Amino acid sequence: SQKIEQNSEALNIQEGKTATLTCNYTNYSPAYLQWYRQDPGRGPVFLLLIRENEKEKRKERLKVTFDTTLKQSLFHITASQPADSATYLCALPGNMLTFGGGTRLMVKP
Amino acid sequence: GAVVSQHPSWVICKSGTSVKIECRSLDFQATTMFWYRQFPKQSLMLMATSNEGSKATYEQGVEKDKFLINHASLTLSTLTVTSAHPEDSSFYICSATVLAGFRETQYFGPGTRLLVL
Repeated sequence: SQKIEQNSEALNIQEGKTATLTCNYTNYSPAYLQWYRQDPGRGPVFLLLIRENEKEKRKERLKVTFDTTLKQSLFHITASQPADSATYLCALPGNMLTFGGGTRLMVKP
Repeated sequence: GAVVSQHPSWVICKSGTSVKIECRSLDFQATTMFWYRQFPKQSLMLMATSNEGSKATYEQGVEKDKFLINHASLTLSTLTVTSAHPEDSSFYICSATVLAGFRETQYFGPGTRLLVL
């Protein structure tokens, strides 16, 4: 069965550093992959979509890579700020979006 | 961007009562609407997929008689938690999907927090 795993439940980093989150999937060949941000008590907010033929995508301080051979996506936040603290979810399409378990990022000042 | 609203944003009810949650796409017609449930510190769990004018498709383990979904129009879907019990307390999120060409984009509502006493 299809499975999506995000590397860790929580990640703590210092302000200004680069945060790197991992999303691995198995038994799946998605045409694209999405990353979302979710703040406590709120619905997810769409951040980035990367297609299977795109190796890398950037949006301001965000960078996403997509390696279909490794079946992995990496999500980077450069020059991280305390305001970046949130849970980040990767999601893969299908009949419906399937979400990974999420990684809770905490950026300390 | 597209906006999805949910009403109410939070509700407290007594055990045994029914609660209705509305999900509306405000400025677009949604191909499909989804209902998710989220427990504290856990990821979203898909409950059901809803298409306008047809019966919802429920995920395994979700009681269709417990969680009634009505998709009356391309902009409105409702989730009714019938005879709610404390274990139904959760954060319920809807999303609406727009299909443009081969690109599918999903927009999420802000969520509804349900507390059953």
